[in-house]
Amino acid sequence: QVQLQESGPGLVEPSETLSLTCTVSGGSISSYYWGWIRQPPGKGLEWIGYIYYSGSTNYNPSLKSRVTISVDTSKNQFSLNLSSVTATDTAVYYCARLGAGGPSYFDSWGQGTLVTVSS
Amino acid sequence: SSELTQDPAVSVALGQTVRITCQGDTLRSYYASWYQQKPGQAPVLVIYGQNNRPSGIPDRISGSSSGSTASLTITGAQAEDEADYYCNSRDTSGNHAFGGGTKLTVL
Repeated sequence: QVQLQESGPGLVEPSETLSLTCTVSGGSISSYYWGWIRQPPGKGLEWIGYIYYSGSTNYNPSLKSRVTISVDTSKNQFSLNLSSVTATDTAVYYCARLGAGGPSYFDSWGQGTLVTVSS
Repeated sequence: SSELTQDPAVSVALGQTVRITCQGDTLRSYYASWYQQKPGQAPVLVIYGQNNRPSGIPDRISGSSSGSTASLTITGAQAEDEADYYCNSRDTSGNHAFGGGTKLTVL
């Protein structure tokens, strides 16, 4: 069974870039879409974007100007960069796999990592 | 971008049936998926496609759709079903959206 694990700094300063990596184990990153979702404390889920293992991407229009998602198939990892962060970007960030057959649902999730934006 | 609307909170008596709904125009073209989230835990996929359950999800949980409304039904609710439930769908551009979530209380 595939497992996902987020890693990266838990504290980021305002105006800086938030960078997270998701390591996939128990399966290959190939032939799937991989996504990022976030959840501000006490609030709902927000889709950030996803990437196909080949490198094609799709981003939330509200975040598109600040988001970059990349993939490293040799390491079975994919990454999130979110630039020019503010306090409103404070959230638990989840990485997830999208189900087979297309980017329609998220069938496996990481445990999530809390990122706080503060000086 | 797509928008999905859910009731913020729903309650059900133990052993009874409850329906959680999700409304949005994209649901006329694409199926909703449903996620259960318990406090301090990551979301878990419970329904996808027309009415598919991942391995390990009890068959008392089911999904359906009509027009612009998708529904998650729990038949014979158990204490362990108390959680937040989120719907999700995509649009023609491949953009996803989550509903605001429904907090289910089992009385």
